[in-house]
Amino acid sequence: AQSVSQHNHHVILSEAASLELGCNYSYGGTVNLFWYVQYPGQHLQLLLKYFSGDPLVKGIKGFEAEFIKSKFSFNLRKPSVQWSDTAEYFCAVNGHINTDKLIFGTGTRLQVFP
Amino acid sequence: EAQVTQNPRYLITVTGKKLTVTCSQNMNHEYMSWYRQDPGLGLRQIYYSMNVEVTDKGDVPEGYKVSRKEKRNFPLILESPSPNQTSLYFCASLSGTSGSRSYNEQFFGPGTRLTVL
Repeated sequence: AQSVSQHNHHVILSEAASLELGCNYSYGGTVNLFWYVQYPGQHLQLLLKYFSGDPLVKGIKGFEAEFIKSKFSFNLRKPSVQWSDTAEYFCAVNGHINTDKLIFGTGTRLQVFP
Repeated sequence: EAQVTQNPRYLITVTGKKLTVTCSQNMNHEYMSWYRQDPGLGLRQIYYSMNVEVTDKGDVPEGYKVSRKEKRNFPLILESPSPNQTSLYFCASLSGTSGSRSYNEQFFGPGTRLTVL
């Protein structure tokens, strides 16, 4: 079955530190990949998405992600985090049977301290 | 403003008392979906609807019902809630037609935090 793994469950950083959140998926075919962010008390918002082309995708708020097909990975990065990046981050892929369905990872909670 | 709305935002109820969580979108999207979010489990799809009068089960449909009588509304019904349905619920909608909308962004509602005692 298709699945998404996020190995970092809770990450704590100081402001200006660099961030990398891991995301691995299990599916051999073509996938669409997404990162969503959920700020405290808010709904999920799209950070960035990858469908095809350049494997380095740039999103909002200075985030980027790199699709490495050979590693089935889509890690999220930011060179310098801010306190306002404190949130929960979810990696997601489309289901291969119901292609409209998003399969989510378990999420990574990021806390950034000033 | 394009948005997905849910009501209520917070609800505390007791076991067995039927409840409905409403979801409405103003973007004329065909596809709508319900998810529940639980710590350590991420978001799991409960039900989805590809269009009016077309609904289907997601990964965790037990104990839930939905209806889609009109395009903008997709209510989630718990006929007899139980404590294991205590969770955070999100409604989402997706633009586009079948075959192309998997490339689009899902728009999420603000969430409904449900506690079943």
